[in-house]
Amino acid sequence: NAGVMQNPRHLVRRRGQEARLRCSPMKGHSHVYWYRQLPEEGLKFMVYLQKENIIDESGMPKERFSAEFPKEGPSILRIQQVVRGDSAAYFCASSPILVIGMNTEAFFGQGTRLTVV
Amino acid sequence: AQTVTQSQPEMSVQEAETVTLSCTYDTSESDYYLFWYKQPPSRQMILVIRQEAYKQQNATENRFSVNFQKAAKSFSLKISDSQLGDAAMYFCASRVGTASKLTFGTGTRLQVTL
Repeated sequence: NAGVMQNPRHLVRRRGQEARLRCSPMKGHSHVYWYRQLPEEGLKFMVYLQKENIIDESGMPKERFSAEFPKEGPSILRIQQVVRGDSAAYFCASSPILVIGMNTEAFFGQGTRLTVV
Repeated sequence: AQTVTQSQPEMSVQEAETVTLSCTYDTSESDYYLFWYKQPPSRQMILVIRQEAYKQQNATENRFSVNFQKAAKSFSLKISDSQLGDAAMYFCASRVGTASKLTFGTGTRLQVTL
């Protein structure tokens, strides 16, 4: 059972380009979370998705950022017209179907380091 | 809103000694969970230990244990018999309920010296 897979591991984009970050959750996991880690900082929540639904996007910047988790395929975090301030490590985590009373654990991928030049 | 505070940006411990990393949190919820994550240079986020708020007993995982003081909203991590492989960033985190976002502290960088 492979872990949470993120690709690419490293992504370099010029200012104004689009960045697409992919996350394949663990097998059987239907919840995906995206976090951003700026240099020397902790992880900040961005968005929480279930299959075909956005559950909580309170951490997403209002412009240029979007996320999806289609019925088939990986979750995608998309950043349009990237700027230097978007340079960060982006982590995806996944967790299984909820069971009331059970502590469902989130497992992290290794992250994608985005560098905007 | 939840907040998690780690007031020690860096800590150092000698190999085989014990070190305690501090964390305080704030939440108005009664159903919440607390975590310590380790992030080595590889960047992988590794779960070290977790604590359910409704449990009074402090969680323990081998050399790692927590001191959970619910009234004081304190959740410190103790690492016993420190090893060189323990050197990493350590993040304290909280989560409300069984499926929601994690709120992280700013981290403590732990150095382990010979």
